[in-house]
Amino acid sequence: AQTVTQSQPEMSVQEAETVTLSCTYDTSESNYYLFWYKQPPSRQMILVIRQEAYKQQNATENRFSVNFQKAAKSFSLKISDSQLGDTAMYFCAVGNQFYFGTGTSLTVIP
Amino acid sequence: EPEVTQTPSHQVTQMGQEVILRCVPISNHLYFYWYRQILGQKVEFLVSFYNNEISEKSEIFDDQFSVERPDGSNFTLKIRSTKLEDSAMYFCASRVQGAGEKLFFGSGTQLSVL
Repeated sequence: AQTVTQSQPEMSVQEAETVTLSCTYDTSESNYYLFWYKQPPSRQMILVIRQEAYKQQNATENRFSVNFQKAAKSFSLKISDSQLGDTAMYFCAVGNQFYFGTGTSLTVIP
Repeated sequence: EPEVTQTPSHQVTQMGQEVILRCVPISNHLYFYWYRQILGQKVEFLVSFYNNEISEKSEIFDDQFSVERPDGSNFTLKIRSTKLEDSAMYFCASRVQGAGEKLFFGSGTQLSVL
């Protein structure tokens, strides 16, 4: 069974600042992957970043990075130098079938 | 970048009617999925499909739902007798291989059951 918890329903950040979105999970899979997806108002699902659970090194993708704590089952997303286009819902997903959390609505304030 | 295509973008139906939502996954992908998202809520896994059979399904995916890959390119989700609570955005997704590969999502079909 998989559960994914995103405890921050809404967040806001000033443009150019840094923000961290949290995600905790539970999984019965021994080897798994974790993902952050972005959903802008268009409702298109866009992959932001991916982490392999067996890798200790945290994934980075330009302004986006993760803090993966396997023992704590925590997978947070850090967005640096926030831009107006980052305004969206952000969903954490875990496992081979992509079980999603409830999402965090991020607003970047100019 | 290749795209997953979903049709129609909006579908309105009467309660009790059957609906078929259509998807064309990316051509070399092997794994196919359906998700749904009730407005303002999370994206929920419905079913995964590989090698012409269901590989996993959630408790949402009851006997009213079925999936099919009728011709090697299309991937359909059928709801036999729609209920009001089936109103949601339905996303099709596909990926090349299994675990770890990026999931490509279609732009969704908004289903409204009246």
